[in-house]
Amino acid sequence: GESVGLHLPTLSVQEGDNSIINCAYSNSASDYFIWYKQESGKGPQFIIDIRSNMDKRQGQRVTVLLNKTVKHLSLQIAATQPGDSAVYFCAENLNSGGSNYKLTFGKGTLLTVNP
Amino acid sequence: ETGVTQTPRHLVMGMTNKKSLKCEQHLGHNAMYWYKQSAKKPLELMFVYSLEERVENNSVPSRFSPECPNSSHLFLHLHTLQPEDSALYLCASSQQTSGRAHMAQYFGPGTRLTVL
Repeated sequence: GESVGLHLPTLSVQEGDNSIINCAYSNSASDYFIWYKQESGKGPQFIIDIRSNMDKRQGQRVTVLLNKTVKHLSLQIAATQPGDSAVYFCAENLNSGGSNYKLTFGKGTLLTVNP
Repeated sequence: ETGVTQTPRHLVMGMTNKKSLKCEQHLGHNAMYWYKQSAKKPLELMFVYSLEERVENNSVPSRFSPECPNSSHLFLHLHTLQPEDSALYLCASSQQTSGRAHMAQYFGPGTRLTVL
């Protein structure tokens, strides 16, 4: 799994398997979270977001789970494909007054999909 | 394509050069950001512009100078940089509201900067 500010973990999966990428966030008052995907040579790409009033949100082949009790966020990718190989990182936002633009990013998890 | 473009994609400059990075967003957003991404470190927020006003200057050295002439364009002017400034510089945009809504930031492809 990943914690904001620590080493870059790696996850290697077989094509077709499900992937689970974890993130431990730092601030219990954070109320908005985003998962990004960054492929080599590209900028981060928005995948899915979730607000703190939800525990789960689903997108196309992706699901984000939020456990506020233990400050844990996970991204599940169904039927992982070679094109899913990238660095995935989470970001958290603390809504403090008017400063709702600040995102704190984790270092990321490198996902490698083996054909 | 995310609707955020950056030029140039790659830049090599000497420490005495002056150069500028350009960012343009086609998403109708009202906030734009500069981030620095170094190897094995989290994204570092440098500057934030909301409604063309700078609202965040995150202790960035004065050799980096941002400019936001309108809500669609953002520049980062560079002068007398150091080798440790070599990194990927990312621009992002978002639609900010005065309420408690949080809106995702959408990133450009970045400019890979190398300072010799």
